[in-house]
Amino acid sequence: DIVMTQSPLYLPVTPGEPASISCRSSQSLLHSSGYNYLDWYLQKPGQSPQLLIYFGSNRASGVPDRFSGSGSGTDFTLKISRVEAEDVGVYYCMQAIQVPITFGQGTRLEIK
Amino acid sequence: EVQLVESGGGLVQPGGSLRLSCVVSGFTFSSHWMHWVRQAPGKGLEWVATIKLDGSQKNYVDSVKGRFTISRDNAKNSLYLQMNSLRAEDTAVYHCARSNFAAYDWWGQGTLVTVSS
Repeated sequence: DIVMTQSPLYLPVTPGEPASISCRSSQSLLHSSGYNYLDWYLQKPGQSPQLLIYFGSNRASGVPDRFSGSGSGTDFTLKISRVEAEDVGVYYCMQAIQVPITFGQGTRLEIK
Repeated sequence: EVQLVESGGGLVQPGGSLRLSCVVSGFTFSSHWMHWVRQAPGKGLEWVATIKLDGSQKNYVDSVKGRFTISRDNAKNSLYLQMNSLRAEDTAVYHCARSNFAAYDWWGQGTLVTVSS
């Protein structure tokens, strides 16, 4: 199974400041198609998860451009250029290149 | 508007069975792989099962193989999860999700399954 490791697990951020979350996979997520099968999700308090980024760097529909994803192979990063209060919640990375599909442990972002 | 609505959760004794349903609307159901993802209380997300467009391919996490069965009825826009031999560790909120570009772009609100005597 592919193990997904996120860091940090807790991220307190001042509004307006940037934030960054790292996700590392135990195997390469680079598919023969050239796409990295790595997604980012945000689960806001009391809500279902919502897709932020797919294929490592593509913003999902309706996602603000302050969110960006980067990386390839086994190392990926989610960046928020300027954190807003509505960004609180738990962020998960997920690999979809092989079954079993696996998620990172989650990173809890809170506002200072 | 895309909607996924789960039902069928509840309290069940260890060893019991439940059948979860997910009724979808707002998109062409038969054009998307579908999935079940669960979240135990206070824990992270865990993929449970996946089914191909026509139901011809199914995959499961090891911990539910032989006990859970995923299925779909494209004529009824419905996804199912038959859960047998339930264990305490199956207690979770179960979400159905649609995939697009290998990502889960729409999720249901979830249905809670509690396995306890």
